[in-house]
Amino acid sequence: EPEVTQTPSHQVTQMGQEVILRCVPISNHLYFYWYRQILGQKVEFLVSFYNNEISEKSEIFDDQFSVERPDGSNFTLKIRSTKLEDSAMYFCASMRDSGNTIYFGEGSWLTVV
Amino acid sequence: GENVEQHPSTLSVQEGDSAVIKCTYSDSASNYFPWYKQELGKRPQLIIDIRSNVGEKKDQRIAVTLNKTAKHFSLHITETQPEDSAVYFCAATSVGGSQGNLIFGKGTKLSVKP
Repeated sequence: EPEVTQTPSHQVTQMGQEVILRCVPISNHLYFYWYRQILGQKVEFLVSFYNNEISEKSEIFDDQFSVERPDGSNFTLKIRSTKLEDSAMYFCASMRDSGNTIYFGEGSWLTVV
Repeated sequence: GENVEQHPSTLSVQEGDSAVIKCTYSDSASNYFPWYKQELGKRPQLIIDIRSNVGEKKDQRIAVTLNKTAKHFSLHITETQPEDSAVYFCAATSVGGSQGNLIFGKGTKLSVKP
């Protein structure tokens, strides 16, 4: 069964550093998302991406965050200058088209020290 | 925007008993309500979902009910097994509107004691 894949699985970074989290959505999917989950808390929506542009973003997704689909397969989340509170599990997700199931990747655990 | 409340936050049952988790939502435009199971350190896994044109859906030991008027939906697990132990999240979104912008509840930690 096709899966959403994410790299790295775990990254430790120093406060203030830039981080890029990578995702390969399922190949025939058109909608892409990033969510995050702070340890022990609920999953929170960050951003949705469709037709090569952001379709919606949450309050969490401020100017420090950006997303890109640099080629036909990758979908990346960049955090420009990490803060301690950015430490969380970041999940990429994708959906084939409107009304279908959303599939989550295994997550990238980011630790900011 | 949408707000999803989930209760209880923890639930402990004996193996074989039933478990019920309840969620309420605020946005009447929401029309898609999935339930996810998350084991420690793993991704959320969809276990069942329901759309607003249906009042109930069942898949083996798992069922979900939806009351659109009251804006609440519930997950029912019958004949619980130890492997059902996990955190369960409900979510809501508006298909066709904020597509895929799932708003999650805070989760219910289910413990099934053998």
